[in-house]
Amino acid sequence: GAVVSQHPSRVICKSGTSVKIECRSLDFQATTMFWYRQFPKQSLMLMATSNEGSKATYEQGVEKDKFLINHASLTLSTLTVTSAHPEDSSFYICSASPMDYGYTFGSGTRLTVV
Amino acid sequence: TQLLEQSPQFLSIQEGENLTVYCNSSSVFSSLQWYRQEPGEGPVLLVTVVTGGEVKKLKRLTFQFGDARKDSSLHITAAQPGDTGLYLCAVNFGNEKLTFGTGTRLTIIP
Repeated sequence: GAVVSQHPSRVICKSGTSVKIECRSLDFQATTMFWYRQFPKQSLMLMATSNEGSKATYEQGVEKDKFLINHASLTLSTLTVTSAHPEDSSFYICSASPMDYGYTFGSGTRLTVV
Repeated sequence: TQLLEQSPQFLSIQEGENLTVYCNSSSVFSSLQWYRQEPGEGPVLLVTVVTGGEVKKLKRLTFQFGDARKDSSLHITAAQPGDTGLYLCAVNFGNEKLTFGTGTRLTIIP
């Protein structure tokens, strides 16, 4: 149990376009989900906390207008990278915390902006 | 900024050797988690330690939480190529957000 599904696993987009990444909790409800970013050979850095039915809270230095987060249901959060540029290329990972289980993570999305 | 420093940053050893990875901070934690991440995947939880001085074993992996609950270690005995990966410690600083350590990238050479 406690599975988080993330889609797509890989995406290549042209500079200036937008990309949407989905994060779904498959067998539990998640009022809160978390979005991380990971650069090569580095650790995970929290970008934002996605809150069902309300605005996301962003970490310091993360542009909320560039990284749009929507958490419209208890099982789905989406991250949209708007007007993507090559420096946005990274590995994006979502997570959620099922009750009494700790944190479970999606398998990540490799974004490459060309 | 609350930091979790892991050491070493990179470690490459021969199969069969033992190793220890450390996670340190100046803050006190109520609990600490260890994860392993393989390339192109999300982190997978290995263990959660909650009591100062606690020792938990998971097959060849031994996890210890410091008495003061500011640090932790992961010891691997007789390392195998399947142990290769990025090892991350992580804590919740009381705000529901999980903060990760700087990571240790482990490579086991067959």
